[in-house]
Amino acid sequence: DSGVTQTPKHLITATGQRVTLRCSPRSGDLSVYWYQQSLDQGLQFLIQYYNGEERAKGNILERFSAQQFPDLHSELNLSSLELGDSALYFCASSESGTAVKNIQYFGAGTRLSVL
Amino acid sequence: AQSVTQPDIHITVSEGASLELRCNYSYGATPYLFWYVQSPGQGLQLLLKYFSGDTLVQGIKGFEAEFKRSQSSFNLRKPSVHWSDAAEYFCAVLPIMEYGNKLVFGAGTILRVKS
Repeated sequence: DSGVTQTPKHLITATGQRVTLRCSPRSGDLSVYWYQQSLDQGLQFLIQYYNGEERAKGNILERFSAQQFPDLHSELNLSSLELGDSALYFCASSESGTAVKNIQYFGAGTRLSVL
Repeated sequence: AQSVTQPDIHITVSEGASLELRCNYSYGATPYLFWYVQSPGQGLQLLLKYFSGDTLVQGIKGFEAEFKRSQSSFNLRKPSVHWSDAAEYFCAVLPIMEYGNKLVFGAGTILRVKS
């Protein structure tokens, strides 16, 4: 168990809908990361938050947004869902907000199916 | 841009045989390097990491990896594979960026173990 908790484990929804994925980082970790794993794109970095502030952005669609709350949990919001958004979404956390000795621990993921 | 290449999509080895999974990276400097393993339906588990120093690093579950700067490689090895090692293995690099800490993953290698 990595200590990173993601809910829900599975999510099935329809095109055009909006969903929220939740992540609780390991105790003491200030950084949260979101990654998307799909068959065609592999594992792709979406976004990083550090202590409530956005730190880095990857290839995240404008329909997607995230935030990190004062208790350090994070939510990834996906809206106007399309079939191609079906994927496994991972959250990771790390103690550090810099690259130095940055070790990211991953949750079990949320599998999103858009029908 | 940084990239990670795992040349082997699938590898099949016999139980008890040795294993080597290849990983090459493209980056202007020496990045931080990682191997993660993903079992079916599971999240990503960190096997080992390289930051600096000794180029042979030991990880969990009897795995080790060797960093070779001249070849831009970070190959994963195990002397004797167990059936429970069947999983997908990902090599990842963490470019040492000024701001933000995104992992860049390879496409993964699926390991099958035959008895």
